[in-house]
Amino acid sequence: AQSVTQLGSHVSVSEGALVLLRCNYSSSVPPYLFWYVQYPNQGLQLLLKYTTGATLVKGINGFEAEFKKSETSFHLTKPSAHMSDAAEYFCAVSDRGGTASKLTFGTGTRLQVTL
Amino acid sequence: EAGVAQSPRYKIIEKRQSVAFWCNPISGHATLYWYQQILGQGPKLLIQFQNNGVVDDSQLPKDRFSAERLKGVDSTLKIQPAKLEDSAVYLCASSPGPLGTEAFFGQGTRLTVV
Repeated sequence: AQSVTQLGSHVSVSEGALVLLRCNYSSSVPPYLFWYVQYPNQGLQLLLKYTTGATLVKGINGFEAEFKKSETSFHLTKPSAHMSDAAEYFCAVSDRGGTASKLTFGTGTRLQVTL
Repeated sequence: EAGVAQSPRYKIIEKRQSVAFWCNPISGHATLYWYQQILGQGPKLLIQFQNNGVVDDSQLPKDRFSAERLKGVDSTLKIQPAKLEDSAVYLCASSPGPLGTEAFFGQGTRLTVV
């Protein structure tokens, strides 16, 4: 079974400050890892994903995440927060089971950006 | 490229009534998912289709929920009868194939059961 733990249901940062959203996963096989963002009354939009290869993954809107197998982590970072980054962020994991793979989400972290 | 379309966007029903949601995935996407997102929680997979066959419905409450995917394209999710705890956003997503590729999400249907 696979699972995701997101530490901190709410994170507040000042505009221009570093954003760090934490995600730890559990998977019996090498995972695929994803970060999605959800704006109010919207569906989920993919920020970035890790499948294979380089462990530092760059995504849209200046976000990046690093896959650390030894720590079973996939934390999301952005060097400088912008007001438009305020949203809910979800980390997700899937196994590599081909068509039977399913995407398991964490409980989400709400990012607040203040002036 | 058109995205995943869902309707309706909002629905309010009384408990014990029936409701149906519709999803049109991105053209050519073989895999379709229905997720339930309760307020304050992450999305939970209800059912996954590969073309018009069910791959995973282990978390679908089959006594009241049903889903079908006609001709491997559009899908409907039905709840009959609804309970108060079914109040949630129902998200449809599609992907072109096995995961590792991205799942694209619709805007969701917000269901309120009163």
